[in-house]
Amino acid sequence: IAGITQAPTSQILAAGRRMTLRCTQDMRHNAMYWYRQDLGLGLRLIHYSNTAGTTGKGEVPDGYSVSRANTDDFPLTLASAVPSQTSVYFCASSDSGTGNYGYTFGSGTRLTVV
Amino acid sequence: AQRVTQPEKLLSVFKGAPVELKCNYSYSGSPELFWYVQYSRQRLQLLLRHISRESIKGFTADLNKGETSFHLKKPFAQEEDSAMYYCALSGVWGAQKLVFGQGTRLTINP
Repeated sequence: IAGITQAPTSQILAAGRRMTLRCTQDMRHNAMYWYRQDLGLGLRLIHYSNTAGTTGKGEVPDGYSVSRANTDDFPLTLASAVPSQTSVYFCASSDSGTGNYGYTFGSGTRLTVV
Repeated sequence: AQRVTQPEKLLSVFKGAPVELKCNYSYSGSPELFWYVQYSRQRLQLLLRHISRESIKGFTADLNKGETSFHLKKPFAQEEDSAMYYCALSGVWGAQKLVFGQGTRLTINP
């Protein structure tokens, strides 16, 4: 693993089903984030975690949950998927210790809810 | 409210022509501003940050606090510059939470 790994790459999901998007980083970054990317809306923050054991809500948290049991993993769960959750989901991380605010992004998960 | 606006969803210019991607922001504090780029089939990557005042791949961006703008410029466009560009602002919801603009898809015509 180098950087951030997201899985799956893409998924077609029936409405009402539960789905967990996985995100793993190997950079020992403290902070991690989930964004969704929608045409014309840019990237919107769903949830974030400043450090292991803590999480917070972003701009569009409804219908999503996250957990941060350790530094490396930050899974995003859709408890009961709806078509409006069709999007491309990006996980990102940043090192809060150096003052460098650049994010490292994963390659994304393309989710289609039908 | 903190906000980043990229007024152009699509921008098309010819190779060798100057490029300017517009970005305006709204933020009550002292902003940290960034440009991210997403090439076709690749992940988002940081292009440049205003605090480093650097030039990457010929692109520059100057923070204008009076006009609350952070436009991205390049004097001579190249075909490999075709990509999706996002302007982003940090400082929201505590340190480091980036707020992104809507994005501008730049196409460089040969």
